[in-house]
Amino acid sequence: QQQVKQSPQSLIVQKGGISIINCAYENTAFDYFPWYQQFPGKGPALLIAIRPDVSEKKEGRFTISFNKSAKQFSLHIMDSQPGDSATYFCAASKSGAGSYQLTFGKGTKLSVIP
Amino acid sequence: GAGVSQTPSNKVTEKGKYVELRCDPISGHTALYWYRQSLGQGPEFLIYFQGTGAADDSGLPNDRFFAVRPEGSVSTLKIQRTERGDSAVYLCASSLAGGLSDTQYFGPGTRLTVL
Repeated sequence: QQQVKQSPQSLIVQKGGISIINCAYENTAFDYFPWYQQFPGKGPALLIAIRPDVSEKKEGRFTISFNKSAKQFSLHIMDSQPGDSATYFCAASKSGAGSYQLTFGKGTKLSVIP
Repeated sequence: GAGVSQTPSNKVTEKGKYVELRCDPISGHTALYWYRQSLGQGPEFLIYFQGTGAADDSGLPNDRFFAVRPEGSVSTLKIQRTERGDSAVYLCASSLAGGLSDTQYFGPGTRLTVL
């Protein structure tokens, strides 16, 4: 049972364009939703995160949109740059379990072409 | 500043052998997580330490996997009788106190290959 579904699996965007990655979750107990960026040979690094009490969060060129009723959230990368080429993972976590383990999606490989 | 470090970066072993993977968390971080990332997949949770104790080991796939953190800092993931299916990148992450929105900082991982 995949608790966090991510799409698309891969994405090619022209430099300056908008990259959009979508995630859907099933467990309504999730209440923390981070996005991680991973370059080849490196560990994932936190990009931006959101709690379900807000519908949108923006940090620089990166925006998370959150739809609690649909149990969906998405990452938008504005003015995409070749340096953004990486694999992006959405994740979710829930409080009250004692362990704030992250449940990850399968990842989206983003390629930004000049 | 120093991030999470993991050693070795690569480990090749034969089926049936025992391996140990080491994680050095960020200094002062009390929470430590182990994840496993198979090719083309997202990381999957294995075990969580708060201080010296394993607070949640629900992600360990079977009793061949074990982890320790005896002094509340460095952690070692131990795999007995390795199988080819154990081949993956093993990631360690640490966070300041283990809270819900505490950032988990990941190390570069150890790539384990079981022949």
